[in-house]
Amino acid sequence: GAVVSQHPSRVICKSGTSVKIECRSLDFQATTMFWYRQFPKQSLMLMATSNEGSKATYEQGVEKDKFLINHASLTLSTLTVTSAHPEDSSFYICSARPDPNQPQHFGDGTRLSIL
Amino acid sequence: AQSVTQLDSQVPVFEEAPVELRCNYSSSVSVYLFWYVQYPNQGLQLLLKYLSGSTLVKGINGFEAEFNKSQTSFHLRKPSVHISDTAEYFCAVAGPSGTYKYIFGTGTRLKVLA
Repeated sequence: GAVVSQHPSRVICKSGTSVKIECRSLDFQATTMFWYRQFPKQSLMLMATSNEGSKATYEQGVEKDKFLINHASLTLSTLTVTSAHPEDSSFYICSARPDPNQPQHFGDGTRLSIL
Repeated sequence: AQSVTQLDSQVPVFEEAPVELRCNYSSSVSVYLFWYVQYPNQGLQLLLKYLSGSTLVKGINGFEAEFNKSQTSFHLRKPSVHISDTAEYFCAVAGPSGTYKYIFGTGTRLKVLA
């Protein structure tokens, strides 16, 4: 089946640093990938839609300059949390799909902890 | 706009008993419906999907769901649960928009008791 790989699985860093998270579709091409944020014991909230070769589409309330998204190829999207602070600590999950009529396949998530 | 409601935040059930996790959606247009399972500190795994066709959908791990358009429901069922089914279950709806974005329910924690 379709596999999405997310790296790293866990990051612990100091306040003020920037953190990059990678999302790769391993066995299919994805023109669209999605980035979600999940707080403890809560549902997934869509942050942005990553579009290959063009700018990402951010959901209302998500800071574009804080969460930089780059979708440079059909198999890779990256999320960079810039100047991270403790309130950015969360579980970030990406997903990708082969085409719009197919389900999204999710990565295993990245646990980000900002000290 | 679409929305998804999972009324039960937690469902405890004994091993080998049947279980039903409820999902209701709201949409003015045709939708796609999904059930995902999430184990601790992991991403989401697709259990099953309804895109079109037969309203009874069978998925992995013995789960099935029935799409009921008149009741706008997509309840998940399993006739006999195992300890390993303990996890968080999310219902999601996607509508015919430009990106087919998902709207997730708040999740139901299934706890299987020995």
